[in-house]
Amino acid sequence: DSGVTQTPKHLITATGQRVTLRCSPRSGDLSVYWYQQSLDQGLQFLIQYYNGEERAKGNILERFSAQQFPDLHSELNLSSLELGDSALYFCASSTAGGPQETQYFGPGTRLLVL
Amino acid sequence: AQKITQTQPGMFVQEKEAVTLDCTYDTSDPSYGLFWYKQPSSGEMIFLIYQGSYDQQNATEGRYSLNFQKARKSANLVISASQLGDSAMYFCAMREKTSYDKVIFGPGTSLSVIP
Repeated sequence: DSGVTQTPKHLITATGQRVTLRCSPRSGDLSVYWYQQSLDQGLQFLIQYYNGEERAKGNILERFSAQQFPDLHSELNLSSLELGDSALYFCASSTAGGPQETQYFGPGTRLLVL
Repeated sequence: AQKITQTQPGMFVQEKEAVTLDCTYDTSDPSYGLFWYKQPSSGEMIFLIYQGSYDQQNATEGRYSLNFQKARKSANLVISASQLGDSAMYFCAMREKTSYDKVIFGPGTSLSVIP
């Protein structure tokens, strides 16, 4: 158990809908990262937050957005869902986000768009 | 260009034997970190081992060790005394100081341990 929690574990929805994925980092970690893992794209970095502020953006679509709240939990919002958005979405956390810090991953949310 | 290459899509190993999973990387940044993660069929990503670019010694964590050859830009994971529970996908990842907010993952190697 990494100490990172994600809810829900599974999510099934329809195209065009909007969903919210939630992540709680390990106790004491200020940095949260979101990743998408799909069969064709592999594991891709989406976005990072540090202590409530966006720090870095990766391959995140405009239909997706995220935020980190004062209690440090984070939410990833996915809207206008398409079939291709079906994937495993991971949240990870680290202490401060430095280059040599290990990121600890949550169990993931498996999203299926029908 | 691929920053992380894992040339073995799938591998088999006999239980109790050692196995080496290959990883080569590409960077011009002198400061970087290399990570290995394990993803069992249940889906979670489990951190295994870390190697810093300036570390003088190869990293070791229990049955996991990292064969770090900086000049060759390779960071192979060695699993000793394989167990059935080691069957999983293994991902090599890199984080560069110049873009330290991003972790780049390789395509992964699927390891199957045979009893």
